[in-house]
Amino acid sequence: QVQLVQSGAEVKKPGASVKVSCKASGYTFTDYYIHWVRQAPGQGLEYMGCIHPNSGVTRYAQKFQGWVTMTTDASISTAFVELKSDDTAVFYCARDRVGGWAFDPWGQGTLVTVSS
Amino acid sequence: QSALTQPASVSGSPGQSITISCTGTSSDVGGYNYVSWYQQHPGKAPKLMIYDVGNRSSGVSNRFSGSKSGNTASLTISGLQAEDEADYYCSSWTSSANYVFGTGTKVTVL
Repeated sequence: QVQLVQSGAEVKKPGASVKVSCKASGYTFTDYYIHWVRQAPGQGLEYMGCIHPNSGVTRYAQKFQGWVTMTTDASISTAFVELKSDDTAVFYCARDRVGGWAFDPWGQGTLVTVSS
Repeated sequence: QSALTQPASVSGSPGQSITISCTGTSSDVGGYNYVSWYQQHPGKAPKLMIYDVGNRSSGVSNRFSGSKSGNTASLTISGLQAEDEADYYCSSWTSSANYVFGTGTKVTVL
């Protein structure tokens, strides 16, 4: 079945960057966009942007430009997001649904905690 | 891009119907038929329920339905059940060539 499995929780110091991974299985990785979504504790979902694994083309939401970098490694069917912000949040990856225009399935989420 | 506006909470008794609204602008909800809805239980990842305004995702109960009028999309849950208690988010494609989520609605089953 189609599945996205994310890397485990991270603790990072203020000012440091962290890289979260999202490993895909059950489909051809290069055929679908991967999207990233942020959720701060007790808050709603925020769309960060997406990347197409075949072309490497990225589209970042304006709020996240400059402090987020999305990449992929097709050889291991994995997408990455590198984060430079100092906000504690859960980060989700999600695939374009077949037919596009929605997100399905989702990864289980990765909690990034910022702490000195 | 501002978040789409949803009511903070909606409640209903088992068996009742409830409707969650999602209000945007002509640059997002009103301009495209690419509105989707997600259900999120506490501590879990969101789950796609409705796509393209009114199409149910595979395996989703037919108690869930979606519609749109102008700049406002709606999710209706009929025959409310205890398992429907969760947070719900709408999302829309936008003229900025990106997506935007709604503010989220907590559904409580009384």
